[in-house]
Amino acid sequence: QITLKESGPPLVKPTQTLTLTCTFSAFSLSTNGVGVGWIRQPPGKALEWLALTYWDDDKRYSPSLKSRLTITKDTSKNQVVLTMTNMEAVDTATYYCARWTSSLGAFDVWGQGTMVTVSS
Amino acid sequence: DIQMTQSPSSLSASVGDRVTITCQASQDIRKYLNWYQQKPGKAPNLLIYHASNLETGVPSRFSGSGSGTDFTFTIHSLQPEDIATYYCQHYDNLLYTFGQGTKLEIK
Repeated sequence: QITLKESGPPLVKPTQTLTLTCTFSAFSLSTNGVGVGWIRQPPGKALEWLALTYWDDDKRYSPSLKSRLTITKDTSKNQVVLTMTNMEAVDTATYYCARWTSSLGAFDVWGQGTMVTVSS
Repeated sequence: DIQMTQSPSSLSASVGDRVTITCQASQDIRKYLNWYQQKPGKAPNLLIYHASNLETGVPSRFSGSGSGTDFTFTIHSLQPEDIATYYCQHYDNLLYTFGQGTKLEIK
């Protein structure tokens, strides 16, 4: 069974850097066509795609957040890490990681999400 | 950037009704469109990929259609467990844009 799980601090202060880790199992991020992405959802609002890393280390970022985001993968650990700098209150959200499968062209398996609050 | 306009933002329907949600792209996106269901307090779940393909395990009462700029998601006979927010999502080589969501309630 494919699973993904997000981990990270539930609370960060304004201006701090957020580091989130997605740990997955039952698939490999070295398999052709596979990627892992990050999507967030502020309370009561819509989903917003943030970043995606592919099996070949190609990376994609949301243009509006590109300057603040870095996505990296550690294939040996089955982990993908997202860092977001200069956190603000508007970044308060549930952050999800999800597997991207190019053969479907979709995020086909999602983690449960982790809530991050930005507050002093 | 391509803009996705999803409508309606909310709707109320009765069990057994046919429910339709639309997603319009600001330019031709061929069939690069997915539909997700998100139940309250849960992660999204893929229902339809590449505009009209039913994901494995998804009930056949769900369907998707369209290409180019206009897409439709249909629940053919609404069930109580279908209460959720539904999102369309466009993808290309650079962006993976979600629509604003449609919140579906039971009358």
